[in-house]
Amino acid sequence: DGGITQSPKYLFRKEGQNVTLSCEQNLNHDAMYWYRQDPGQGLRLIYYSQIVNDFQKGDIAEGYSVSREKKESFPLTVTSAQKNPTAFYLCASKARTTYGYTFGSGTRLTVV
Amino acid sequence: EDKVVQSPLSLVVHEGDTVTLNCSYEVTNFRSLLWYKQEKKAPTFLFMLTSSGIEKKSGRLSSILDKKELFSILNITATQTGDSAVYLCAVEAETGGGNKLTFGTGTQLKVEL
Repeated sequence: DGGITQSPKYLFRKEGQNVTLSCEQNLNHDAMYWYRQDPGQGLRLIYYSQIVNDFQKGDIAEGYSVSREKKESFPLTVTSAQKNPTAFYLCASKARTTYGYTFGSGTRLTVV
Repeated sequence: EDKVVQSPLSLVVHEGDTVTLNCSYEVTNFRSLLWYKQEKKAPTFLFMLTSSGIEKKSGRLSSILDKKELFSILNITATQTGDSAVYLCAVEAETGGGNKLTFGTGTQLKVEL
């Protein structure tokens, strides 16, 4: 079945460590997105990418980095520069020719 | 900066009640407005609206968009406890770097017996 896979589901890290969240899709979608969700809040856009080897900053990109070396993969690195990294992270993808977005099941990151 | 505002922030109703959730927006290069339901993890898609005045329906849920007033509503009739969730409104806009979705903060709906 086609879909988006985010791993791991839960991640614990010590303060000051970089951590990379995985997002893989087999939908042949062109665009991929990373969102962050804090309790009681909506989703905020971190980074997005429309094509391989190109990506754009979203509304809250500071302290995060991404790469898009393959169409299927859009990993997100949460760096030590991110002040409050504990949150729920969602990855999404979208085909160029359709309106619908597909979401992964998310990664809950806790920094202790 | 694109902006999406949802109201109310939270709502508690009894089973069988009808609820109306509101979403207003200010975006440049509007493309579509989407409604999602979020229970525990990933949002699940409800509706996508692109044209004004055309109601979309799915069972007890319906939604309509007013592109002149920059506003959308989501109606749920005969609410059930299974409707308890956060309802998210998002607006898709075209940017120089491609399309992006901007979300509102959501409306937390609780349906009690």
